[in-house]
Amino acid sequence: SQQGEEDPQALSIQEGENATMNCSYKTSINNLQWYRQNSGRGLVHLILIRSNEREKHSGRLRVTLDTSKKSSSLLITASRAADTASYFCAREYGNKLVFGAGTILRVKS
Amino acid sequence: DAMVIQNPRYQVTQFGKPVTLSCSQTLNHNVMYWYQQKSSQAPKLLFHYYDKDFNNEADTPDNFQSRRPNTSFCFLDIRSPGLGDAAMYLCATSRGGLAGLGEQFFGPGTRLTVL
Repeated sequence: SQQGEEDPQALSIQEGENATMNCSYKTSINNLQWYRQNSGRGLVHLILIRSNEREKHSGRLRVTLDTSKKSSSLLITASRAADTASYFCAREYGNKLVFGAGTILRVKS
Repeated sequence: DAMVIQNPRYQVTQFGKPVTLSCSQTLNHNVMYWYQQKSSQAPKLLFHYYDKDFNNEADTPDNFQSRRPNTSFCFLDIRSPGLGDAAMYLCATSRGGLAGLGEQFFGPGTRLTVL
């Protein structure tokens, strides 16, 4: 199976705190992507990290990739109420993505 | 703005009554995807087109079909919807190519209700 795991399933933090979400996978990937989904909406791409990269930044987002451990993490710094959403990692295999179950993040103001 | 458009946003159908969902894109991307997403679950890939080349996932039920008449449009046909097919259906596109998949651009989704 190409599935992996994400944790935590849900995360509740105060505005201003950092949020870390983790993603693991079982088989070798091309690249790994992170997406955000607001309730009842489509997904929005956040970051793509290639298999030969170890870390990538975009604004308040930081993604790491450890191919030896087959894991990735997404860090959101200085969280805002508007960051409340579901976050999915997606493993890239050929021309398709396999999404994990996601982490539901709630940022309380 | 370049985008992915899905119609309708909400679709109600009766058990067994065929339904067609549509997706259009102005991004001129080579690859188009259909995902099914049930409540609190991950999006599940049903099939994708790389240009005209159709790729069906092994576990996609025969009840689901797709058509891509041109680069811009892609349709999802559900021939005999069952109660278990109630879900959000997401269309997405990507550029594709040798450099890898690249990011996918998602439409807002069509929420299907089966009565």
